Amino acid sequence: EVQLVESGGGLVQPGRSLRLSCAASGFTFDDYAMHWVRQVPGKGLEWVSGISWNSGSIGYADSVKGRFTISRDNAKNSLNLQMNSLRAEDTALYYCAKGGPGGWPSPWFDPWGQGTLVTVSS
Amino acid sequence: EIVMTQSPATLSVSPGERATLSCRASQSVSSNLGWYQQKPGQAPRLLIYGASTRATGIPARFSGSGSGTEFTLTISSLQSEDFAVYYCQQYNNWPRTFGQGTKVEIK
Repeated sequence: EVQLVESGGGLVQPGRSLRLSCAASGFTFDDYAMHWVRQVPGKGLEWVSGISWNSGSIGYADSVKGRFTISRDNAKNSLNLQMNSLRAEDTALYYCAKGGPGGWPSPWFDPWGQGTLVTVSS
Repeated sequence: EIVMTQSPATLSVSPGERATLSCRASQSVSSNLGWYQQKPGQAPRLLIYGASTRATGIPARFSGSGSGTEFTLTISSLQSEDFAVYYCQQYNNWPRTFGQGTKVEIK
């Protein structure tokens, strides 16, 4: 069974940094692109960032470009998101998601982890 | 980026009835369209990809149709576990974008 478990969320002041992690199991991690998708509580979904299986291709939403950095460690089956210069509008539940088949860029996202909540507030 | 617009925002349906949800793309996405279900407190779950192909384990009462800019998700006979929020997502262009969701509630 595929499992994705996010960690690292919390309360952080505007302008500070936070690092999210996602531990993956139940599939061959380095066969798939991986992504972060966020959701403001009670609102819709926004793709944030994605990374190909070998880190050769990386993408960011315009809203986070230059502030967030995605990375992965295939030896540890882990995905990371370094978030710098955080803003109030980054407050959301951050989901780790496995990319669909066909490599980069992934078509759909399946499955998703349960998410980790990031709150940016003074 | 491609804007996905879902309608209605909320759909009130009685158990056993049919539900029809719409999704419109701001430009053609061919058949590169997926649907997700999200229940309260849970992550989204993939229901449909390729506009009409059910994902693994998804019951046959869920069906998708459409191509280009107009898409429909139909739930033929609503079960209690189907009351949730449904999102469409296009994967024809980068970045991948989602609709704002349709909440299916009990009438």
